[in-house]
Amino acid sequence: VIWMTQSPSLLSASTGDRVTISCRMSQGISSYLAWYQQKPGKAPELLIYAASTLQSGVPSRFSGSGSGTDFTLTISCLQSEDFATYYCQQYYSSPYTFGQGTKLEIK
Amino acid sequence: EVQLVQSGAEVKKPGESLKISCKGSGYSFTSYWIGWVRQMPGKGLEWMGIIYPGDSDTRYSPSFQGQVTISADKSISTAYLQWSSLKASDTAMYYCARHLSPIGYSGSYPDYWGQGTLVTVSS
Repeated sequence: VIWMTQSPSLLSASTGDRVTISCRMSQGISSYLAWYQQKPGKAPELLIYAASTLQSGVPSRFSGSGSGTDFTLTISCLQSEDFATYYCQQYYSSPYTFGQGTKLEIK
Repeated sequence: EVQLVQSGAEVKKPGESLKISCKGSGYSFTSYWIGWVRQMPGKGLEWMGIIYPGDSDTRYSPSFQGQVTISADKSISTAYLQWSSLKASDTAMYYCARHLSPIGYSGSYPDYWGQGTLVTVSS
């Protein structure tokens, strides 16, 4: 089983800020990493796959980077609708584990 | 348009059995993996397992192996998650999700999600 450490677990920021969320794997996974956004009471939504490819319809202020064991999600200019919880997920090998989540809240 | 529509909320007693469903539409149901993700109250996402409806190949997370059964009926484009004996600790929201495989790779990630089915187990 591949374990992941997602940090921070809680992030306070203001509209317009640039924020980064990290995900570290217990072993290398090439670029087989996805990022999801989940708002309260809603199903998760896919933001990024293959570590850095934006899902269709996702705003360009979201970006992903990394390969191997270290990955980052960056939101370049926070909008009000971006305050949510974010998860990384590896799909290099089954079980396709999720990170613990990062709750992005308004400062 | 890809859609995954899940069955409604359930309230059950410990020891009872349950089968929840997820109906896919807008895509070739037999050509994509489809799986289940658990979210316990106030907690994160846990990947449970997936099935390939085309040949019923199934993969489980070790955490859920033997605890649940994932199945699919390709004739009606529906996937299922089943328990034979529920526990209070099974109380959670369960999401189904279509999984997309990169070309030439066996791994897959959820790209479309159902709306969730809330399962409450209480005496």
